Amino acid sequence: AQSVTQLDSHVSVSEGTPVLLRCNYSSSYSPSLFWYVQHPNKGLQLLLKYTSAATLVKGINGFEAEFKKSETSFHLTKPSAHMSDAAEYFCVVSDFRDDKIIFGKGTRLHILP
Amino acid sequence: NAGVMQNPRHLVRRRGQEARLRCSPMKGHSHVYWYRQLPEEGLKFMVYLQKENIIDESGMPKERFSAEFPKEGPSILRIQQVVRGDSAAYFCASSLSNSPLHFGNGTRLTVT
Repeated sequence: AQSVTQLDSHVSVSEGTPVLLRCNYSSSYSPSLFWYVQHPNKGLQLLLKYTSAATLVKGINGFEAEFKKSETSFHLTKPSAHMSDAAEYFCVVSDFRDDKIIFGKGTRLHILP
Repeated sequence: NAGVMQNPRHLVRRRGQEARLRCSPMKGHSHVYWYRQLPEEGLKFMVYLQKENIIDESGMPKERFSAEFPKEGPSILRIQQVVRGDSAAYFCASSLSNSPLHFGNGTRLTVT
């Protein structure tokens, strides 16, 4: 069975400092992993995805994530936070064989001036 | 409190037929989003609706696709004259204003 755990429901960082949003997963096979961002009253936007190619994935807006099989983690990072990064972030495991999508509960990122 | 309910879970249509996908949001949720997932890709935003209003349909194809969220009843995603390329999983999500999304289990549309 698959599952996704986002370890922090809220993360606060100061503008210009690094961002780390943590995600752990469990899967009995090689998963496809995604990070999405949702700004208030907007639809989800795909930040980046891992589908068994390079383990370090670069996404939009300066975000990146590293797939670590040994740690079953897929943490999202950004070197320097911007005020516009304040949003809800979802880590997702997908099983394309039967269209299953497992969402994490989300992490609300707050950016302090 | 039931989650987001989508039906049917699987839908098979022949080319040229119409497909109607239903989404009942969580109780109290007035915002509904529809997404399409193609194999090996992530979710693609299609449309965002509030009760009786389409707020953002920038992700929806201009032809054959339509969506509604009436005052009473579920949100409907309608695809007319389906083609093979419409085969995908379609996910609905609902939310309160400015709150996280809750997703349904999706409808798998297969066009034969």
